[in-house]
Amino acid sequence: EDQVTQSPEALRLQEGESSSLNCSYTVSGLRGLFWYRQDPGKGPEFLFTLYSAGEEKEKERLKATLTKKESFLHITAPKPEDSATYLCAVQSFSGGYNKLIFGAGTRLAVHP
Amino acid sequence: KAGVTQTPRYLIKTRGQQVTLSCSPISGHRSVSWYQQTPGQGLQFLFEYFSETQRNKGNFPGRFSGRQFSNSRSEMNVSTLELGDSALYLCASSSKQGNSGNTIYFGEGSWLTVV
Repeated sequence: EDQVTQSPEALRLQEGESSSLNCSYTVSGLRGLFWYRQDPGKGPEFLFTLYSAGEEKEKERLKATLTKKESFLHITAPKPEDSATYLCAVQSFSGGYNKLIFGAGTRLAVHP
Repeated sequence: KAGVTQTPRYLIKTRGQQVTLSCSPISGHRSVSWYQQTPGQGLQFLFEYFSETQRNKGNFPGRFSGRQFSNSRSEMNVSTLELGDSALYLCASSSKQGNSGNTIYFGEGSWLTVV
């Protein structure tokens, strides 16, 4: 069964303290892995799409990497405004349809 | 370029009533998907529409239904509301359905409270 697991569930960092969020997955026919940021009461905001193992993408203080079994979202020198829930989702193609499966998310809190 | 627009943003309904939520995708996007988000279950896929046809469906009861119009706008309907239907309902659009991964953009969601 297709599955996406994110860890840790919650992470508290001091401003400037770099860390990584993990997204491990088991899917058949991976079509893409997505990272989203979600602020309370709002819809998920697209961050990155990764398609193949070894791929990396960067945006400001965020860097996403992908292996055959997991993805990492590295946060370098975070600021309080980076506080949010970060969602990982994998898109697989099975039975003739695309499926997007989300992990439960990592709640990140960055304190000054 | 306007994003995904959902209406209404907030609504309160009574058990047994029905509700209709609306979604306007990004201009040019023909695929619209609906998700339910709750604290306990996270984001769960409801269904996807492409070119006015339902292409995929998640594991939700038949009380949850949807449709897509020729201009790609979509509506979802929940009949005979239950307390457990209280959730954030998210609409997402993408440029195409099927084949390789394509970016999916979400709206702000419609907060439904069932009392």
